[in-house]
Amino acid sequence: AQSVTQPDIHITVSEGASLELRCNYSYGATPYLFWYVQSPGQGLQLLLKYFSGDTLVQGIKGFEAEFKRSQSSFNLRKPSVHWSDAAEYFCAVGAAGYGGSQGNLIFGKGTKLSVKP
Amino acid sequence: DSGVTQTPKHLITATGQRVTLRCSPRSGDLSVYWYQQSLDQGLQFLIQYYNGEERAKGNILERFSAQQFPDLHSELNLSSLELGDSALYFCASESVANTGELFFGEGSRLTVL
Repeated sequence: AQSVTQPDIHITVSEGASLELRCNYSYGATPYLFWYVQSPGQGLQLLLKYFSGDTLVQGIKGFEAEFKRSQSSFNLRKPSVHWSDAAEYFCAVGAAGYGGSQGNLIFGKGTKLSVKP
Repeated sequence: DSGVTQTPKHLITATGQRVTLRCSPRSGDLSVYWYQQSLDQGLQFLIQYYNGEERAKGNILERFSAQQFPDLHSELNLSSLELGDSALYFCASESVANTGELFFGEGSRLTVL
């Protein structure tokens, strides 16, 4: 069955420190991969996506993610965290080319990021 | 602002009641998705509509139904509500390019007492 695992429920980092959020997926076909961020009381906002090509993708707010097929991983990174990055981060996997649209996304349970001053 | 509008933002009701959640997608988007977010289940896909027709179904209960109207707004109807239906319900629209990128509304928080 298709699934997304985010092993870390909660991570705390100091402002200015680097960040890596882990994501592993299980998907039988070529996956489309996404990272979304959810601030308190807000909807989800797309940070970045991977469809094909270069396995290192750049997103908004200085985030990047690397797709590693051999490890079934799509980890999110940021070299220097800002206090405003405190939020919940969701990894998601979607179907490629389903019925003209990408179909639904399967989300991980999320990782809550806290930032220490 | 994602461009997706959901109403109401908050809703408190009693068990056994019926509610309707409304979603207006981004201008030009044809596809609407409904997701349920709860503490125990996380984000669960419920149903997708594309240009008025049901396209995909996920973990949607039989007590729940949805539709998409000719003006492309969508409604999610939840009936015979139970305590466990308390959750945040998100609507999202997908760009017409069908890239899989979803634009989420701010959600409707349903509390069933």
